[in-house]
Amino acid sequence: ENVLTQSPGTLSLSPGERATLSCRASQSLSSSYLAWYQHQPGQAPRLLIYGASTRATDIPDRFSGSGSGTDFTLTINRLEPEDFALYYCQQYGSSPLTFGGGTKVEIK
Amino acid sequence: EVQLLGSGGGLVQPGGSLRLSCVASGFTFSSHAMSWVRQAPGKGLEWVSGVSGTGGSTYYADSVKGRFTISRDGPKNTIHLQMNSLNTDDTAIYYCARDSRRTGTTVFDYWGQGILVTVSS
Repeated sequence: ENVLTQSPGTLSLSPGERATLSCRASQSLSSSYLAWYQHQPGQAPRLLIYGASTRATDIPDRFSGSGSGTDFTLTINRLEPEDFALYYCQQYGSSPLTFGGGTKVEIK
Repeated sequence: EVQLLGSGGGLVQPGGSLRLSCVASGFTFSSHAMSWVRQAPGKGLEWVSGVSGTGGSTYYADSVKGRFTISRDGPKNTIHLQMNSLNTDDTAIYYCARDSRRTGTTVFDYWGQGILVTVSS
């Protein structure tokens, strides 16, 4: 299976700063089949990005995704208080689909 | 408005069984595949099982193959996850999720609120 490794494990930042999250795949992803989700404790996960760079419905433009092959990045510009959460990448280019281990973005 | 309402969780002993259900509303049910994704305590997300929009195709993670069975009831807009031979590793919050496509397992654009399953003696 295609193993996704996310880094860093925890990112400590202040509101207004930029967050850069990394996701590395053990095998190259076909057609950039990579998604990003935000997960707040006690809530349902929320789709942010699919196709590596396409924002999902109603996702603010401060969230952006980039990358191809094995290296992908989620960037959050100007962190808002509600952005402090867990973030997961997920690949759907090969079966079984897999998630990364997550990056926690916490308030510094 | 898309809504996914899950039910059926609880405490079960190792070796026991449990059936989860998820009722969907707000969209054309047959147009979307559906999946179950779980999160064990202190762990990340793990895809468990999926079913195509027609119910004709089912998909399972190796960790549950042969023990879990996914199904869907079109007229009731409901999917089920029958979980047998449960062990402590199956303890998790289980999420019902809508796939953006009719077949396969791809991107999950809507998620339910989560169902707690605890396997313990």
